[in-house]
Amino acid sequence: QKEVEQNSGPLSVPEGAIASLNCTYSDRGSQSFFWYRQYSGKSPELIMFIYSNGDKEDGRFTAQLNKASQYVSLLIRDSQPSDSATYLCAVRTSGGSYIPTFGRGTSLIVHP
Amino acid sequence: EAGVVQSPRYKIIEKKQPVAFWCNPISGHNTLYWYRQNLGQGPELLIRYENEEAVDDSQLPKDRFSAERLKGVDSTLKIQPAELGDSAVYLCASSLAGDNEQFFGPGTRLTVL
Repeated sequence: QKEVEQNSGPLSVPEGAIASLNCTYSDRGSQSFFWYRQYSGKSPELIMFIYSNGDKEDGRFTAQLNKASQYVSLLIRDSQPSDSATYLCAVRTSGGSYIPTFGRGTSLIVHP
Repeated sequence: EAGVVQSPRYKIIEKKQPVAFWCNPISGHNTLYWYRQNLGQGPELLIRYENEEAVDDSQLPKDRFSAERLKGVDSTLKIQPAELGDSAVYLCASSLAGDNEQFFGPGTRLTVL
């Protein structure tokens, strides 16, 4: 059973702070890691993906991957109220299967 | 460019009734996915199509759920008969190929009474 674990939150941070969202996964064969943002009542949208150990930065977002620890995180710098949403971590294994396993998501609240 | 289109957006039915959802993927996207998302949970894959072929359907409850993508473009997901536990948001997504970024449609929120 492939599992992706996220703290459901809510994680509350003040505007301008760094929000840190964490995700652990059970399958060591996992190769691709995705972060989706889902606003209430809306569908998920991809904001970042990462394949290699280390950091990947895109604007205010940084994804961090540590395969040895089976851990992936998303940092949001200079958090804005518009970042308030649920952030879903998704993990995909190799071997020809393109089925991503999603975590339950972490609710982020950025308050002014 | 139009995104993934789904209809209806909302559906309320009584248990034991049939229901169908329709999805039109982004033009040119060969891979189509149906997900179910329960409240407070992440999406769970029900079935994946590569063109008209269902290649991952192990999570589809085949006693009551069926899906088709006859011409490799749009797709229909059917539940017959619906049960109370089927209440969820049914999301359709598409990608150019299996290993590319998935784009989600707005979803169909199903309520079974």
